[in-house]
Amino acid sequence: RKEVEQDPGPFNVPEGATVAFNCTYSNSASQSFFWYRQDCRKEPKLLMSVYSSGNEDGRFTAQLNRASQYISLLIRDSKLSDSATYLCVVNKRNTGRRALTFGSGTRLQVQP
Amino acid sequence: NAGVTQTPKFRVLKTGQSMTLLCAQDMNHEYMYWYRQDPGMGLRLIHYSVGEGTTAKGEVPDGYNVSRLKKQNFLLGLESAAPSQTSVYFCASSPDGTFGQPQHFGDGTRLSIL
Repeated sequence: RKEVEQDPGPFNVPEGATVAFNCTYSNSASQSFFWYRQDCRKEPKLLMSVYSSGNEDGRFTAQLNRASQYISLLIRDSKLSDSATYLCVVNKRNTGRRALTFGSGTRLQVQP
Repeated sequence: NAGVTQTPKFRVLKTGQSMTLLCAQDMNHEYMYWYRQDPGMGLRLIHYSVGEGTTAKGEVPDGYNVSRLKKQNFLLGLESAAPSQTSVYFCASSPDGTFGQPQHFGDGTRLSIL
C-alpha cells in the first residue's frame, strides 16, 4: 500500500464548478500536511499547508481528519487556470529527516 | 530572484555513461533534497543533505551518489547510467528543517537514458 494515496483522476469540470479531492495516508505518525500544485512539465509549488482545524485561502479550503487519516482539498468557482495536478504531501516526525512523502497526484482539467 | 536552479534542463545519455546534475540555491537554506518523478508514482526521495558536508540516503538511493561541498550546491551523480534512471529529477531546499516547513523546488532536469 502506498503511504499517500490519491485518486489520479482526471477530474473534468466546467468553469465555476466546485470540486473536491481526497487523499489518504497510511502512517499515523504523519504530522505535517500540504497540498502542492504541479503544472504540466513544471516543478511542484506549494499551494497551501493543511492545519488540524482546517484552513481556507481564497477559493481553496483544506481539511484534515486525523482519525480517518485523510486530507481534502476543495476548490470553489473553478477557473481555467486551476487546471493542474494536485499533489497531497505528508511529513512524518519520526523518520529523522525532513523529507516529504508525495502522493502521485490528482489531475484537474477545468473546461470552458 | 533565482531560488533553486538546476542544470542541465535536459540530457540524453547512453547506458553506462556518467553525469552530474547540479542544484544551486541562493536562499541560504540548510536542507537540500534530490527527488525523481516517474509517471504514476509521485516524487520519490533519492538523497538529501541537512547541511554542508553531510548527505544521507532517501527512499531510492541505489545507482546515485551525492555531494554537498558547499552549502549552496547539491550535486547528484550517476556513475553508470541505466535506462531505469530515465526520469525527471527535481532538487528542493528548505530553510533549516524545522518540522512542517514546505520545500522550494527547482524546475527539474529531464534525463533520458538510451
